[in-house]
Amino acid sequence: GESVGLHLPTLSVQEGDNSIINCAYSNSASDYFIWYKQESGKGPQFIIDIRSNMDKRQGQRVTVLLNKTVKHLSLQIAATQPGDSAVYFCAEPLLGKLIFGQGTELSVKP
Amino acid sequence: DTGVSQNPRHKITKRGQNVTFRCDPISEHNRLYWYRQTLGQGPEFLTYFQNEAQLEKSRLLSDRFSAERPKGSFSTLEIQRTEQGDSAMYLCASSLVGRGNYGYTFGSGTRLTVV
Repeated sequence: GESVGLHLPTLSVQEGDNSIINCAYSNSASDYFIWYKQESGKGPQFIIDIRSNMDKRQGQRVTVLLNKTVKHLSLQIAATQPGDSAVYFCAEPLLGKLIFGQGTELSVKP
Repeated sequence: DTGVSQNPRHKITKRGQNVTFRCDPISEHNRLYWYRQTLGQGPEFLTYFQNEAQLEKSRLLSDRFSAERPKGSFSTLEIQRTEQGDSAMYLCASSLVGRGNYGYTFGSGTRLTVV
């Protein structure tokens, strides 16, 4: 079965607000996670990744937090913009292939 | 190199017909993956190649599905005797083994509709 999953299927935020997308995983031995963004009609696009020896990693307007104690990771998007509207997936490489969760659809209200 | 290219972008076929999709990976990538994605779900792994060798096939890949990567470059995915349940987005990805972040790059997919 899947080893990663998401708490909420949809998230609606106001433009300019911060967004937080959550993901839970079940395998305590998991050591690497990736966040992808998928816009309508396109393939998943790499956003940011994190290894288990880190608790936090920052990119441009995005931050990923990893809590190994409760096996949870989150993607934070600062100052959410209309162009951030998409489906976001967390994914975990397993024996060379990516295992994806169901996804969270982010809608940004102007 | 403009990334991973998939053709066609859309395919509508009648139940029982055969279809073939093509994927052209990033040229220096040695691994190529096929995924299937249905509405509201994450991509599901189907199979992957390292160079021309098919290293793993998911149990999702029934006998009606076959994939090839004859020269270790482009790949084809064929579905024989299509069924309505085959309707989905078929995604291809490629990566270079040994890259720190796996280097997964996805194409835009082929959307299959079986009527």
